[in-house]
This record gives sequence, structure tokens and C-alpha cells, in this order.
Amino acid sequence: SQQGEEDPQALSIQEGENATMNCSYKTSINNLQWYRQNSGRGLVHLILIRSNEREKHSGRLRVTLDTSKKSSSLLITASRAADTASYFCATPNQAGTALIFGKGTTLSVSS
Amino acid sequence: SAVISQKPSRDICQRGTSLTIQCQVDSQVTMMFWYRQQPGQSLTLIATANQGSEATYESGFVIDKFPISRPNLTFSTLTVSNMSPEDSSIYLCSVVGAWSTDTQYFGPGTRLTVL
Repeated sequence: SQQGEEDPQALSIQEGENATMNCSYKTSINNLQWYRQNSGRGLVHLILIRSNEREKHSGRLRVTLDTSKKSSSLLITASRAADTASYFCATPNQAGTALIFGKGTTLSVSS
Repeated sequence: SAVISQKPSRDICQRGTSLTIQCQVDSQVTMMFWYRQQPGQSLTLIATANQGSEATYESGFVIDKFPISRPNLTFSTLTVSNMSPEDSSIYLCSVVGAWSTDTQYFGPGTRLTVL
């Protein structure tokens, strides 16, 4: 069953602009992960944020987590054409082992 | 983290045939998983590959259709049996290792097209 739901489904911006993607989930979680997928290839792990963390940074990425609202956001600052990809949030399944993925946000950055 | 490879990277197969996909990791991992990504969709877990025992399948996936082996801590195979066009998908393996109990890394995927 779908756990995370990303919003928006698609996002088109210009190089240099910021991109914000949101993810909502249904059940309590220990952590939430964000992944990037380029053109239907493998997934690249971006960042993991734990339930006791509210914000995490990695380079141009900023992730927030609001457990009271069961939501997370991924902000990419000063985006580049190379950021064009699909972005997925993922949360642990009931067993706490594998992941349940949201539907993803397709980001297009034009130069 | 780990370096994960998959073979083949892509294949085009005929209806009714079977394809075995290999997943190789460069270090020992604690858990290995197989996911499917249908065209334009998100990822869905097929099964957890258990070392030395039968895989644990998710609802909607059965061993006869997707037999899985994991003979050791670094290698697993997924077979897509008696294929139909509906099996056209990207198949990805993922691993969890000693680096973290939570962070899951993915292989490059195998793009399968069934005619």
C-alpha cells in the first residue's frame, strides 16, 4: 500500500531557482528517506532523516520532517539542469525493514 | 555504503520465457530486497531475499512467478518466469548493511521489456 504521497507530481523551474517537494505519509515512522532517479535508472540515496530530527542539510539539499503533520519536504536550492530527475520519499514498511515509496515528483530544470 | 551491480542492465524478451537477474554487492550486507517499478510508476517491494532460506514475498507476488535465491551475503538472483508484457518493468535490488540499519542503497536496475 502507498505510504508516502509526493506533491507536486511534476515541477518545472529555471536554473538557479529553488525547488520544493513535499511528502505526506500515513503511519508513525522511525525515519524517512529521499531518493533521486534519473531517467528510469537506479535510485540514488539523498538523505535520511530520523523521527527525532526536524531538519537536515546535505549540500544544496534541505530536508524537514514534521511528525505531527506526518509530512516531509525536500528543498533543492540553486537548482541546476543536472537536478532534472524524479524524486521519491520512502518510509519503512510495517516490518521496519524494506521501504514503501511515494509516487514521486518529476522535476525538470531548464537552462 | 556499498557498490551494487546488476546484470543484465536491460533485456528484451519474448512472452512465455524466463529471465534471471543477478545482483552483486561488493561487501557483505545484512538484508537484500527486490523491487519492481512499472512504467511511470513508483517502486513496489517484491520480496526480501533471505540468505540460505526461502524469500519472504509481499502480497501479490508469488514464488512460482518470481523465484529468488540468495546463496551468500553478497549475491542474489531474481527470476521473472513465464513472462508476459505486463512484466515489463525496471527491477531493482537494494541492500542494507552494517553501515546503517536504515539506509538502503539501490542497484542500477534491470530494464525488462517483454514482447
